[in-house]
Amino acid sequence: AQTVTQSQPEMSVQEAETVTLSCTYDTSENNYYLFWYKQPPSRQMILVIRQEAYKQQNATENRFSVNFQKAAKSFSLKISDSQLGDTAMYFCAFMTNNAGNMLTFGGGTRLMVKP
Amino acid sequence: EADIYQTPRYLVIGTGKKITLECSQTMGHDKMYWYQQDPGMELHLIHYSYGVNSTEKGDLSSESTVSRIRTEHFPLTLESARPSHTSQYLCASVGASTDTQYFGPGTRLTVL
Repeated sequence: AQTVTQSQPEMSVQEAETVTLSCTYDTSENNYYLFWYKQPPSRQMILVIRQEAYKQQNATENRFSVNFQKAAKSFSLKISDSQLGDTAMYFCAFMTNNAGNMLTFGGGTRLMVKP
Repeated sequence: EADIYQTPRYLVIGTGKKITLECSQTMGHDKMYWYQQDPGMELHLIHYSYGVNSTEKGDLSSESTVSRIRTEHFPLTLESARPSHTSQYLCASVGASTDTQYFGPGTRLTVL
C-alpha cells in the first residue's frame, strides 16, 4: 500500500516571498504520478501541478514548481512570489499507473500568505 | 480541465431524510469517484466507478450508495441521513487519456 506524508500541518509566508511545502511518499511501484492540489476556503480541489515518475525533469507551472527526488521519495512544492490568493490547504497525492487511477492523499498543509 | 458539476452546493436537512447528491461531467470520462472530507482534513474515498453499471466501495466505509446508469452521471444517495453524515462530499473524474483526477466544487452537507 502507498502512503503519503506531509510533515508540515501549517505554514505561513509573507506576500511576494517563496515557500516550500514538503511531501514524502512510500511505494514499491516504479511507474506512478504525483500531484499537488490546492483547496482554498471555497473547498474546491484545484490541480496545481503534476509529475510523472519516469520524467527526470521537475514540473513547473508558472509560479509553482516541484523538486522531485525519486530515490528519496520526496516531492516538494515551491511557490514563488507568493500571493494572497495562494492561501489554502495544499494536498500532496500519489497515483499508481494502473487501471484504477486511485489517488492516495497526504494529510494536507495549511498555508497562510500574509500581506 | 474537466467540467464537473455538483448539486446542491449546500444542503441542510433533518435526520431521517433521504437525500441524493448529484455529480455530472461533460467530458465523457469513464472513471468517477466520490470522496468524503471533514473540514481541514484529508479526503477519504467512499465510492468509485469504472464505467456504466460499475460501482465499487472505497477505503472508507459509508452508508451511502451510488449508481452509474449513464457515463456522465454518478449520483450518491443517503437513504436516511444522520448527523454523523455531516461533511463535504467531493466528486471527481478521470479520462482515458489524462491520468489526472479533476474535482467538482463539492457539496457541503449538514444533517441536524
